[in-house]
Order: sequence, then C-alpha cells, then structure tokens
Amino acid sequence: NAGVTQTPKFRVLKTGQSMTLLCAQDMNHEYMYWYRQDPGMGLRLIHYSVGEGTTAKGEVPDGYNVSRLKKQNFLLGLESAAPSQTSVYFCASSPGLGLLDEQYFGPGTRLTVT
Amino acid sequence: GQQVMQIPQYQHVQEGEDFTTYCNSSTTLSNIQWYKQRPGGHPVFLIQLVKSGEVKKQKRLTFQFGEAKKNSSLHITATQTTDVGTYFCAGQRNTGGFKTIFGAGTRLFVKA
Repeated sequence: NAGVTQTPKFRVLKTGQSMTLLCAQDMNHEYMYWYRQDPGMGLRLIHYSVGEGTTAKGEVPDGYNVSRLKKQNFLLGLESAAPSQTSVYFCASSPGLGLLDEQYFGPGTRLTVT
Repeated sequence: GQQVMQIPQYQHVQEGEDFTTYCNSSTTLSNIQWYKQRPGGHPVFLIQLVKSGEVKKQKRLTFQFGEAKKNSSLHITATQTTDVGTYFCAGQRNTGGFKTIFGAGTRLFVKA
C-alpha cells in the first residue's frame, strides 16, 4: 500500500494563477482532509470530506475549493493564488470511526506564490 | 471558538535530559491525539487518549490526559537524537459533528 500520496511535491505560482493539488489514498478511508502548515501555527484545517461526494469547510477555507468525486481522491483547488497561500499543504485520511480516528498524512506539497 | 494551546513552542535539550510538552484546551475534549513530525517530514500518529486521567506509555514516552479532559502532556525520558522533531497534540470534540483542532506544536532540538 502506498498510503496517502500527494502531487505535486513542489510548486511555484505567480499571483493570480490557479492550480489543483491532488491527494490519493489506497486504504479505503471514508474521511479525507486538507491542512496547511505555517511556521509557528501548527496544522490548520482547510476543508474536509466525510465521504464520496461530500465536503465541508474547516478552519481556514477562504480562497480554496475542494472536490471528492471518487472515494480515493480529494482535490484542493486554488482559483486565484495569493502570496498569503504560500505554505506547506498536507492531505490526510482516516477510516471514519468518528472520534477515535487516526489520521494518516501524505508527504506534503510545498507551494510558493510570488 | 475552541482553542488548543501547546507549550513550549521550542525546547532545546542535551541528549539524556528529559522533555515535556503540554497541551491545554479551552473546552472539554472527548479525546486527544499526539503526532510527531520529523524535520522535513509529515505528521505521524503516536497515540490517542480517551479516558479522564488516562496514562499511556510507549517505551520512553509517557502520555497523560487530565482529569478534566482539558489538558494533556507528553513526557520523554532520557531524550535521544532520534527524538528530534515537532510534537503536536490534536484535541477532538463531539459537537454533533467532526471537530479536531491541532495545537501549534512543540519543536524539540536534541544536542548530542
């Protein structure tokens, strides 16, 4: 099993450009999440999904959109990138056991917006 | 809103010294999880605590959940260079829906 994979690993965007980050998991997990990690601020939840076809906003959703058309994939879109979106983005998945879920993280995508 | 505060932000220790990081929530938690992130890596699940006053051990690591379920700690005995990284707590609440909040993490530096 590959676990949770993310593409791309690195990306540099100009302000105003758009891009999509792809997350894939092969563990048949119900829940998937997108976080951003900034120095000194830990992990902040952007959006999450509790099942195929469903998504919900997290703590910092503005400027991002997501889609979960297939159970194994969770896409994060930036419609018009801003320098404030420079960050490391982590995708995670969990079995969907509710409060007793362990989250499995992908390797991360380092995004720089100039 | 709910906050999970973690202290200290950084800790430098000499190899062999002990280390403790503390996690405090503004609200009662249903459970708490701990993760470790090595430099340049991704967070990896360590453990979960559910019961009030629960204590769990993993070799040199001791995890505690407070009686009021609003705080938690991770203690490492006799640190080693392999302990280097950032330790995150993640508190969960049952608010009728999913709610997990990560602390900002404590970055541990170990000098050989």
